[in-house]
Formats: sequence, C-alpha cells, structure tokens
Amino acid sequence: GENVEQHPSTLSVQEGDSAVIKCTYSDSASNYFPWYKQELGKRPQLIIDIRSNVGEKKDQRIAVTLNKTAKHFSLHITETQPEDSAVYFCASREYGNKLVFGAGTILRVKS
Amino acid sequence: EAGVAQSPRYKIIEKRQSVAFWCNPISGHATLYWYQQILGQGPKLLIQFQNNGVVDDSQLPKDRFSAERLKGVDSTLKIQPAKLEDSAVYLCASSPLADGRAFFGQGTRLTVV
Repeated sequence: GENVEQHPSTLSVQEGDSAVIKCTYSDSASNYFPWYKQELGKRPQLIIDIRSNVGEKKDQRIAVTLNKTAKHFSLHITETQPEDSAVYFCASREYGNKLVFGAGTILRVKS
Repeated sequence: EAGVAQSPRYKIIEKRQSVAFWCNPISGHATLYWYQQILGQGPKLLIQFQNNGVVDDSQLPKDRFSAERLKGVDSTLKIQPAKLEDSAVYLCASSPLADGRAFFGQGTRLTVV
C-alpha cells in the first residue's frame, strides 16, 4: 500500500530564512502531490500542488519540486514570516484518487 | 462557492455509546473522503467514496465504524460502540473526479470519555 514519509517532524527557522520540508512516497503510480497547511484547530488548507508531469512549481514565496525517479518531493518556503508558522502536510495520490498523507511538519518561524 | 460542510463541530460521548457525523461535500464533487486525525498526527484515510460507491475502506475498523453516501452527495460516518482511542478529529474532504484537488471541512472533534 501507499506510504508517505515526511521530514523533519519539527523545523524552527528565523524570520526571513528559508524552510524546506521533504517527503518520499512508495507507489510509483502516484501522480499528484499536494501540500496542506493546518493552523491550530483549523482545517487543512491546500497551499500548492504538483502533478507528475511537472518538475517544479512556484507560487510567490512557496515552491514545490518533484523527483519522480527518486520518488521524493519537497516544499520550499522563502522569506519566512511568523504567519507561516503551522503544521504542513504532504500527500500523495495514487491511482483511484486515494490520497495518503505524511505525518506532518511543525514549522515555527521565530521573529 | 460553498465549502465542505460538517456537523457537529464537537461531540463528547461516553465509551460504548454511538455517534454519527455528517458531511455535505462541495457541489459536483464526485469523490468524498473521511479521515481520522489524532492529535499530533497526519490525517488517516478511513473511507473513500466515488459517487455512491466505496473505492477504498481498507483502514476502516468495520467492526465498529460504518459509512454511507446513499445518493452520491452527502455522507454519514457512524461509530458504534465508541472506544477511548476513537477520540480524534474526523475530517471530511471532497474532490472533483478529474482534478483531484481535495478540500476539507472544518472537522468534528470527538472526545470519548
């Protein structure tokens, strides 16, 4: 079955620095990789996603890269701000639309 | 566009009691997911519907959990009887069939005492 590993589990950065979160997946049939941000007590919110026919996607301060050969994808946040502090989840979608999540990364941005 | 609606927002029950959660997905979304999120963990898929058919329920504890999506629109998830370890947030999400982007409801926080 599908398994998504996410690292690190916690990440502390200084405001203005970059943050990188990495995920690996096991199912080579996976074709869609979203990232969600979850603030305390709130629903996960989709912040960026990438499909298997693309290697990189950028949206303002956030970007996602995908290496299908190595089966890993990463979230990059540049110029971090205190409001970026949250839990970030990666996910992988395999054939049939099954969406499997990583365990999450707690990001703390210190001002 | 209205989002995914869930109710109730909070529920406290005693162990061995039963409970039901309701979800109304975004209009037109064929895929509906129920996830269990235990504090400090990622969402764990319990069951996935496509229209009114079950696509995946491999991680649903079928001796106590059940779910249905009779008309291919809203869905209910039931737990009977509840155990202490069922305390979690139950998240419903929906996705268009072709696009695949999943959007979450606010969730139901269940506490079993």
